[in-house]
Amino acid sequence: GAVVSQHPSRVICKSGTSVKIECRSLDFQATTMFWYRQFPKQSLMLMATSNEGSKATYEQGVEKDKFLINHASLTLSTLTVTSAHPEDSSFYICSAYSSLAAYGYTFGSGTRLTVV
Amino acid sequence: GQQLNQSPQSMFIQEGEDVSMNCTSSSIFNTWLWYKQDPGEGPVLLIALYKAGELTSNGRLTAQFGITRKDSFLNISASIPSDVGIYFCAGQRETSGSRLTFGEGTQLTVNP
Repeated sequence: GAVVSQHPSRVICKSGTSVKIECRSLDFQATTMFWYRQFPKQSLMLMATSNEGSKATYEQGVEKDKFLINHASLTLSTLTVTSAHPEDSSFYICSAYSSLAAYGYTFGSGTRLTVV
Repeated sequence: GQQLNQSPQSMFIQEGEDVSMNCTSSSIFNTWLWYKQDPGEGPVLLIALYKAGELTSNGRLTAQFGITRKDSFLNISASIPSDVGIYFCAGQRETSGSRLTFGEGTQLTVNP
């Protein structure tokens, strides 16, 4: 089945530093990658949508300069949280999408970011 | 924001009981997906539905795509302790391209 690898699974960083999260589709090519943020006991909130080779589309209220998304290939997307602050602490999840029904939407295992 | 109403928010059941949860919306959906999420993990796909009226099973799980294309339900039969987790419905709206809309989730607790 479809597999999406997300790294790191956990990261602790100091306030003011930047953190990069990687999302790779291992056995299929993803036409689109999605990045979500999830707070405790809440649902997934879509942050941005990215297509390979083009700029990401950010949801309303998400700062594009704060959350940099790069989608350089059909199998790799990265989310960089720049100048992180404690309020950026959250669970970040990526999802890779293929229009082939065998793959559909496959989620990574998530990254727990803690900013201290 | 969320445009899928998922209910119930939480369920506490005994092992062996059947479970039912559903999602409704005022919007029309092309695809309904049901996911399970364990603590600290990403959602894992349980069942995908692509046609109105479609009824699909995956082991003890059964899900249906509503005829109106505005709702879906998930049933779990003969629940077991490992069914514990959060279940999310997600839909691909007719007007939102490939973006998914998620329900608020149903927290399931199964007592042995």
